[in-house]
Amino acid sequence: GAVVSQHPSRVICKSGTSVKIECRSLDFQATTMFWYRQFPKQSLMLMATSNEGSKATYEQGVEKDKFLINHASLTLSTLTVTSAHPEDSSFYICSARESLAGEQFFGPGTRLTVL
Amino acid sequence: GEDVEQSLFLSVREGDSSVINCTYTDSSSTYLYWYKQEPGAGLQLLTYIFSNMDMKQDQRLTVLLNKKDKHLSLRIADTQTGDSAIYFCAEGDSWGKLQFGAGTQVVVTP
Repeated sequence: GAVVSQHPSRVICKSGTSVKIECRSLDFQATTMFWYRQFPKQSLMLMATSNEGSKATYEQGVEKDKFLINHASLTLSTLTVTSAHPEDSSFYICSARESLAGEQFFGPGTRLTVL
Repeated sequence: GEDVEQSLFLSVREGDSSVINCTYTDSSSTYLYWYKQEPGAGLQLLTYIFSNMDMKQDQRLTVLLNKKDKHLSLRIADTQTGDSAIYFCAEGDSWGKLQFGAGTQVVVTP
């Protein structure tokens, strides 16, 4: 199947700093990328959907000024957690699909720890 | 709101069959999915079933869907140690948005 990578896999930062997470589709062009957040022993919660070249659509309760999403190319989307706080510590997972009816391929996730 | 529920843990002996159950609430779901997550890896799509189907079989995997009860199950025949992982069920709408359960940790013992 298609490969989606995330970078970094793990990041520790101080409270108040901003962290950028990259999601790349390595062997296909992703018209849509999704960002999820997963707490321990809980399900993946969809945060936002991003389509290449347009603004991301955020799920209810997700602050768009806090979680900045950029999908500037067909192979790269970035999630920036601005002014991170300890409650933002979580596992962030992205997925990508080539077309509307296409399968979503998931990245391996990024573990964010905010001290 | 919509909710997907599944049990958190299942222990099974190697060679036996595993059955993982899932219930969902959104009757407008178009597809229902089973994903597998191994440590350090992304979610891998195992199989899916269209909402107007009752059953789908794919080698060792059998998916049963009871749409009336909104109940989905995944049966793994002849479970192997390599099947140890977390299994997520998910429901998807026609736009491809997925709603996941919390995942079932399957542990296969020799």
